[in-house]
Amino acid sequence: QVQLQESGPGLVKPSETLSLTCAVSGYSISSGFYWGWVRQPPGKGLEWIGNIYHNGSTCYNPSLESRVTISIDSSKNQFSLRLTSVTAADTAVYYCARARAADFWGPGTLVTVSS
Amino acid sequence: EILLTQSPGTLSLSPGDRATLSCRASQSVSSSFLAWYQQKPGQAPRLLFYVASTRATGIPDRFSGSGSGTDFTLTISRLEPEDFAVYYCQQYGSSPYTFGQGTKLEIK
Repeated sequence: QVQLQESGPGLVKPSETLSLTCAVSGYSISSGFYWGWVRQPPGKGLEWIGNIYHNGSTCYNPSLESRVTISIDSSKNQFSLRLTSVTAADTAVYYCARARAADFWGPGTLVTVSS
Repeated sequence: EILLTQSPGTLSLSPGDRATLSCRASQSVSSSFLAWYQQKPGQAPRLLFYVASTRATGIPDRFSGSGSGTDFTLTISRLEPEDFAVYYCQQYGSSPYTFGQGTKLEIK
């Protein structure tokens, strides 16, 4: 069974960088599929952040593209999200997921941007 | 960017009823790359359908997905108590892979 688990700080200060990692088990990310990040502000809907293909090619939401980097570490079977210059508007539950039509999701991690 | 509009915003029905949820795209969705998700409070979304009408693993057959182009529908033939949740559509045919705003299916 494929499992994903997000990890990273739950509190980030404004203007700093949000960094999250998604550890994957039950499937080798170098074998295929897109891997990506979706976020959900409290009480609101889902927003696609971006995807990375197993070969390292990326695709980002243009609204975040200047601040986002998604990378992959096949040796650790994990992929990561970096979001720079965060503001309160970046407060959300962040999910990692497999594939563009996401069939497996992590449980999500709440990241709060506050001083 | 493809805008997805879901209707209704809230649907109030009873167990045993039939539910019809709509997702309309501002332009044609490439290759019918349209997915439906169910989300319950405090949980990650759950994939129901991809490519508009292909049921994901483990999804009961009371759920069905249909549509193409700009109009897509999720139908639940007979509502079970566990079906009351928020449903989202998502297009993944062209970047950015946008989501609809969601339809909340609540118990009447």
